[in-house]
Amino acid sequence: DQQVKQNSPSLSVQEGRISILNCDYTNSMFDYFLWYKKYPAEGPTFLISISSIKDKNEDGRFTVFLNKSAKHLSLHIVPSQPGDSAVYFCAASDVQGAQKLVFGQGTRLTINP
Amino acid sequence: EAGVAQSPRYKIIEKRQSVAFWCNPISGHATLYWYQQILGQGPKLLIQFQNNGVVDDSQLPKDRFSAERLKGVDSTLKIQPAKLEDSAVYLCASSLGSGVGGYTFGSGTRLTVV
Repeated sequence: DQQVKQNSPSLSVQEGRISILNCDYTNSMFDYFLWYKKYPAEGPTFLISISSIKDKNEDGRFTVFLNKSAKHLSLHIVPSQPGDSAVYFCAASDVQGAQKLVFGQGTRLTINP
Repeated sequence: EAGVAQSPRYKIIEKRQSVAFWCNPISGHATLYWYQQILGQGPKLLIQFQNNGVVDDSQLPKDRFSAERLKGVDSTLKIQPAKLEDSAVYLCASSLGSGVGGYTFGSGTRLTVV
């Protein structure tokens, strides 16, 4: 049962344009959502998070949007830079629980010069 | 601040052999996690420790996998005997335990079972 889904395995974007990565979830108990970025041969690194009491959180070039009714969140990167090329994982947690994270399958983002 | 240390970085073993992975979390982090990441999939939680006690091991295949965290610091994850489907990257992460945003992952151990 895939509770967190990233339906796009890969995405290619021109440098300077906007990258939009999408994530859907099924568990209505999830109330905290995170995006992680992973380079080859490295562990995932935390990028940005959002609590279910918000619908938007912004940190520099990165913005995460949450639509609770649709059980959907997205990560916007503006402007996209070559260093943003990586695999991005969406993750969710029921903070009332044991803080474990449930991850999506990941989206490989490639920024073309 | 030193990160989460894992060793070895790579390991190749034959099926039915045993293997062990080691993790040293960030100093002071009470919570330690082991995740399995199979190629093309997201990380999946195997086991979570709070200090030296197990909080969640519901997805750990206990017939072949075992983990311990002695003295609430370092942890080892063992597979015995290994199967082909255990080929994956094994990620260790730690946190203060005060919120999920505090997760820090190690670089992982890539296991190949042949």
